Amino acid sequence: GAGVSQSPSNKVTEKGKDVELRCDPISGHTALYWYRQRLGQGLEFLIYFQGNSAPDKSGLPSDRFSAERTGESVSTLTIQRTQQEDSAVYLCASSSTLGGAYEQYFGPGTRLTVT
Amino acid sequence: AQTVTQSQPEMSVQEAETVTLSCTYDTSESDYYLFWYKQPPSRQMILVIRQEAYKQQNATENRFSVNFQKAAKSFSLKISDSQLGDAAMYFCALSEDSNYQLIWGAGTKLIIKP
Repeated sequence: GAGVSQSPSNKVTEKGKDVELRCDPISGHTALYWYRQRLGQGLEFLIYFQGNSAPDKSGLPSDRFSAERTGESVSTLTIQRTQQEDSAVYLCASSSTLGGAYEQYFGPGTRLTVT
Repeated sequence: AQTVTQSQPEMSVQEAETVTLSCTYDTSESDYYLFWYKQPPSRQMILVIRQEAYKQQNATENRFSVNFQKAAKSFSLKISDSQLGDAAMYFCALSEDSNYQLIWGAGTKLIIKP
C-alpha cells in the first residue's frame, strides 16, 4: 500500500508569512507524529496525535506552531509569522498505534526555507 | 531527562568491510526501545533495526546487527560487508514505554569508499 506522503516537497516563504504543511499517513494508522530536522542535526519531536485523544503538543517550540488532525486522516502543521530559524525539514511519521513497539513510518519531509 | 548521544559525526569504510557506529543513551526507565534509522539523501527515514530493552539477545537484520549493553547504556550498530547503498546518515533513537516520543541522536554520516 501507499506510504506516508507529505506536501509540498519544498516550500520557500518570506519571513512573516504563514505556511501550512500537509501529511497523509498510512491508511489505518491511528498515531501520527511531526518532527523538525534542522540542517546537520537529529530530529526534534513536535507533536503527536493518537486517534481522537488529545494530542501531545509538548514539543511545539512556540505558539506560532499549531497542528490539526481530523480523526485518523490527514494532518496539517501550521507555522504562523515564519522566522528564519523555522527553516528546516519537517518530517511526518505514522504508526499503527502509539508505543515504542510499533514502527514509525516516515514521509519524505517538507523542506521549508524562510528568506 | 532522556538523551541520545552519537559521538561520531562521520565514519568511512571500504566497500565489503565492516563498520561499527556508536550510540549511548540515558534513561531512568526500565522499559524502552532503541532504534537505528537510516536517512539517505532522499530524506526518507528508514528503520534499520530495533531492540527491546527487556531482550538480552542482540537484534540482527541480515548484514546489520547491534551490540546492546544495557548496564553501560550503549547501543552500537555493526554493518558487515558494507555496500555502496549503505551510504547515508544513521540515527540512533530511543523510545520509552511511558513516553511515545522518539528521542534522537545527532546522527553519523557513513561514507562507503569503492
